[in-house]
Amino acid sequence: AQTVTQSQPEMSVQEAETVTLSCTYDTSESDYYLFWYKQPPSRQMILVIRQEAYKQQNATENRFSVNFQKAAKSFSLKISDSQLGDAAMYFCAYGSNYQLIWGAGTKLIIKP
Amino acid sequence: NAGVTQTPKFQVLKTGQSMTLQCAQDMNHNSMYWYRQDPGMGLRLIYYSASEGTTDKGEVPNGYNVSRLNKREFSLRLESAAPSQTSVYFCASSEARLTYEWQYFGPGTRLTVT
Repeated sequence: AQTVTQSQPEMSVQEAETVTLSCTYDTSESDYYLFWYKQPPSRQMILVIRQEAYKQQNATENRFSVNFQKAAKSFSLKISDSQLGDAAMYFCAYGSNYQLIWGAGTKLIIKP
Repeated sequence: NAGVTQTPKFQVLKTGQSMTLQCAQDMNHNSMYWYRQDPGMGLRLIYYSASEGTTDKGEVPNGYNVSRLNKREFSLRLESAAPSQTSVYFCASSEARLTYEWQYFGPGTRLTVT
């Protein structure tokens, strides 16, 4: 069965600096998708970025980028120029066969 | 365009009571999902509906039933609530039949069972 592990329950970063959130997963499949979702205090789940496993190029969305290492089954999220509005829970998720398998989340704190 | 809406936002039930959580999406999406989120854990899929007229069990379906009323609406029913069902419930939808497409989430319902 697929599993997703986020080993950092909490991370903090100074405003305007860069932070990397870690995610590893376990699967025997070759075709799948990976996602990072943001959950602010409002509890709404917001999609940040996604990566197709067959694509070697790492996905980027403005200040958010991923480091996808398929062989190592690693999918980290880099947030550049951190802003106060980035403070939230961040969830990594693995997508395959109608289901998203979720990690336990990392709480990101932004220090002004 | 409201996206995915859920009602109610908060609910307190006594053990054994029943209730239905409502979810609606206005994006003409084919697939809809119900998740629960417990403290310190990621979301877990309760049920999903790949398309109108179909529903399937997810990872944790016990104690729940669902109805895909039409393409827009997907409800989750607790027939006899238990304290273990205290959680935050999220509804989500996606355009395609597979989860490879983006999933859009509602704001969540915080349910407490005493």
